[in-house]
Amino acid sequence: DGGITQSPKYLFRKEGQNVTLSCEQNLNHDAMYWYRQDPGQGLRLIYYSQIVNDFQKGDIAEGYSVSREKKESFPLTVTSAQKNPTAFYLCASSSLSGGIYEQYFGPGTRLTVT
Amino acid sequence: GQNIDQPTEMTATEGAIVQINCTYQTSGFNGLFWYQQHAGEAPTFLSYNVLDGLEEKGRFSSFLSRSKGYSYLLLKELQMKDSASYLCAVRDPGGDGGSQGNLIFGKGTKLSVKP
Repeated sequence: DGGITQSPKYLFRKEGQNVTLSCEQNLNHDAMYWYRQDPGQGLRLIYYSQIVNDFQKGDIAEGYSVSREKKESFPLTVTSAQKNPTAFYLCASSSLSGGIYEQYFGPGTRLTVT
Repeated sequence: GQNIDQPTEMTATEGAIVQINCTYQTSGFNGLFWYQQHAGEAPTFLSYNVLDGLEEKGRFSSFLSRSKGYSYLLLKELQMKDSASYLCAVRDPGGDGGSQGNLIFGKGTKLSVKP
């Protein structure tokens, strides 16, 4: 089955630790995105990538880092510099070659930092 | 600035019709999306409008007026499983989001369907 996987579903970390969230897609999509969702807030874009080895900052990139070494994978690292890391993190992907370029979302990772 | 407004919450009765409105003010426009998101789950794509008018897809329809910066999602014959948040998102071709642009999301409308 084609889709986007994120792991783990729940993640707990102590303050001051870096943590990496996994995102993998087998849809052969060129573009991948990371969003953060907080209660009462819309999805906010953290980083996006349209091609391997290239990525761009979104609206709230501070305290986060990404890599895009493979087309299928776009891991997100939440660093200790992120002041309020507890949130629901969603990864998405979309084609850039035809269609309406809708984004498909993974199941999300709920990160709790204490 | 970029702004997308939706009602925070709505309640409707099973079998009824509900309309969820979305107004937007963005620097550019390259399509409007509606997504459904059940609590704790991933958003799933419902509909897309880029030209004015109504798009119908089964029990769901979406309308767009670009001149008014307005869209609505219409849900007919409501079912209990329609209880979810509905997210309105506008694709803005401005900035460096590539030829298609990135999505700007509203805060979502939480719909509760009651028996």
